[in-house]
Amino acid sequence: GAGVSQSPSNKVTEKGKDVELRCDPISGHTALYWYRQSLGQGLEFLIYFQGNSAPDKSGLPSDRFSAERTGGSVSTLTIQRTQQEDSAVYLCASSPGGQGLSGNTIYFGEGSWLTVV
Amino acid sequence: GDSVTQMEGPVTLSEEAFLTINCTYTATGYPSLFWYVQYPGEGLQLLLKATKADDKGSNKGFEATYRKETTSFHLEKGSVQVSDSAVYFCALTPNNAGNMLTFGGGTRLMVKP
Repeated sequence: GAGVSQSPSNKVTEKGKDVELRCDPISGHTALYWYRQSLGQGLEFLIYFQGNSAPDKSGLPSDRFSAERTGGSVSTLTIQRTQQEDSAVYLCASSPGGQGLSGNTIYFGEGSWLTVV
Repeated sequence: GDSVTQMEGPVTLSEEAFLTINCTYTATGYPSLFWYVQYPGEGLQLLLKATKADDKGSNKGFEATYRKETTSFHLEKGSVQVSDSAVYFCALTPNNAGNMLTFGGGTRLMVKP
């Protein structure tokens, strides 16, 4: 499709297990973002990629969280040793440009709903 | 750092009522301002945006004007419909640090027939 695609759309995992969430951005978009939407916490920035590099990792909540992007396209967000507080919707977004191009529209996927039990 | 504050919900209105959702921001320089909407069970969609002072963004009958003097970007619609029921997020990107969005907490709008 033409939009940002995320998988899985829903994931239930046991506490302590690792999970991987995948994002396919819009073709040609160089900037990619991960956000987390938790009940009562609003939307929280996690990490930003420009191409394959991540100039801003400031939002990652702990060292259990990591993300990578390969080929300037697909990105994977990995959560190790999941905790119940990791339960949230993980949103991926992309935009055509990055640094210095403020005002470019950012397009969001529908999110990956993660539940840690 | 940058921040966005918007009125807490839920906001409950009858169909055809006038809507205002307040949004104010704190940022250095001249950020770009956005309203995103999240319909039930769907992802975030851009509703409208404004990139400089006094710009008015508009879409689907919604409007918001970038007010530098009051650091505000209030969302308005003259006559809401049941289909407008959703969560609305005000957001900004700084003017010189890429496109990272800083969001407000979201305002749930419920429109009753």
